[in-house]
Amino acid sequence: QVQLVQSGAEVKKPGASVKVSCKASGYTFTSYGISWVRQAPGQGLEWMGWISAYNGNTNYAQKLQGRVTMTTDTSTSTAYMELRSLRSDDTAVYYCARDIAVAEWDYWGQGTLVTVSS
Amino acid sequence: NFMLTQPHSVSESPGKTVTISCTRSSGSIASNYVQWYQQRPGSAPTTVIYEDNQRPSGVPDRFSGSIDSSSNSASLTISGLKTEDEADYYCQSYDSSSYVVFGGGTKLTVL
Repeated sequence: QVQLVQSGAEVKKPGASVKVSCKASGYTFTSYGISWVRQAPGQGLEWMGWISAYNGNTNYAQKLQGRVTMTTDTSTSTAYMELRSLRSDDTAVYYCARDIAVAEWDYWGQGTLVTVSS
Repeated sequence: NFMLTQPHSVSESPGKTVTISCTRSSGSIASNYVQWYQQRPGSAPTTVIYEDNQRPSGVPDRFSGSIDSSSNSASLTISGLKTEDEADYYCQSYDSSSYVVFGGGTKLTVL
């Protein structure tokens, strides 16, 4: 069965970077893209960007351009999302999700809480 | 870019039918597919409708989706409400630049 398993919770100081992983199993990793979506405490969902696991092409939300990098390691079927220059308003649960088509997702990871605090 | 507007909350009794709307602010609702996600407290979202009206395997047929060009909106209808349907529901679409938009979410209370 398809599973996306994310790395554990992180606590970071303002200005630091965080890298969250999303390990896929149960399907051919390079046949689907991976999107990242985050949710601040008590807030709604915010799309961060997408990466093709086939060729590494990316598309980032304009708001995060320059601070976010998404990568994949096809040898381990793992996607990564790195966010730099962290601020307190980056505190959120970060989810990965499998793309079945443009901006359409079928399976989601369990989420990774990233807390940014001094 | 456009916005998707949902009611903040809806409530209905078990066994009844509820409809959650999602109105697109500009551009046609029919120009890009609409998806719906269910999120129970403390859990990750799950997809209940994709491509306007398609149900992923495992989602009961009590869940249905539609779009209405006259009101430029999409709707999620849940019939035969169960207490387990109590959750937040988000609609989502995108534009021609693959810019993804989420609605603000609707809290469904089944009382």
